Amino acid sequence: DIQMTQSPSSLSASVGDRVTIVCRASQPISRSLNWYQQKPGTAPKLLIHRASTLESGVPSRFSGSGSVTEFTLTISGLQPEDFATYYCQQSYSSTSFGGGTKVEI
Amino acid sequence: QLHLQESGPRLVKPSETLSLTCTVSPDSISSDDYYWGWIRQPPGQGLEWIGSIFHRGKTYYTASLASRVTISVDTSNNQFSLRLTSVSAADTALYYCVRRDFGYTLRFWGQGLWVTVSS
Repeated sequence: DIQMTQSPSSLSASVGDRVTIVCRASQPISRSLNWYQQKPGTAPKLLIHRASTLESGVPSRFSGSGSVTEFTLTISGLQPEDFATYYCQQSYSSTSFGGGTKVEI
Repeated sequence: QLHLQESGPRLVKPSETLSLTCTVSPDSISSDDYYWGWIRQPPGQGLEWIGSIFHRGKTYYTASLASRVTISVDTSNNQFSLRLTSVSAADTALYYCVRRDFGYTLRFWGQGLWVTVSS
């Protein structure tokens, strides 16, 4: 099974900050990596697929990069509505999720 | 807009079977473009993939749950179901049904259903 490790597990940030979340795969997964945002009490929402393709309707301040085993999600100019938990998901071999990164004020 | 809705008992006794159903609307579950799956999220924890099914019946289960899980599809009612046997407190979670693209991209989720395993 492919293990996904996210760091940090939580971070404190302010509105306007640039935030970077890292996701590492236990083995190469090419660019088979998706990112989701989950707010309390709601289902996760797809932000980015194939490592860097922004889902329709997702603000351009969200961006993804990386390949093989290391990936990043960057939020450029954090907005109040961005405080949430973010998950990476590999889709190279079946699927598995990272443990999540909680972005707090 | 695609809508998925979970339903089923919210309380299950230990050692019994958890059974949930997901109703899909308005699109047909018989599309050849998608799979239909289940994910769970224990309290305060992350997401765990359970498995998925194609409308023709092909299933894929995560290894850790495969011995206890059955996912089935009912195309006449546009539903698919999850059955998890021999449950314990560790199976207490928020259960989501999802539409799974062939690349495991999950664009549509149900709202989730809390299931507690307790006597």
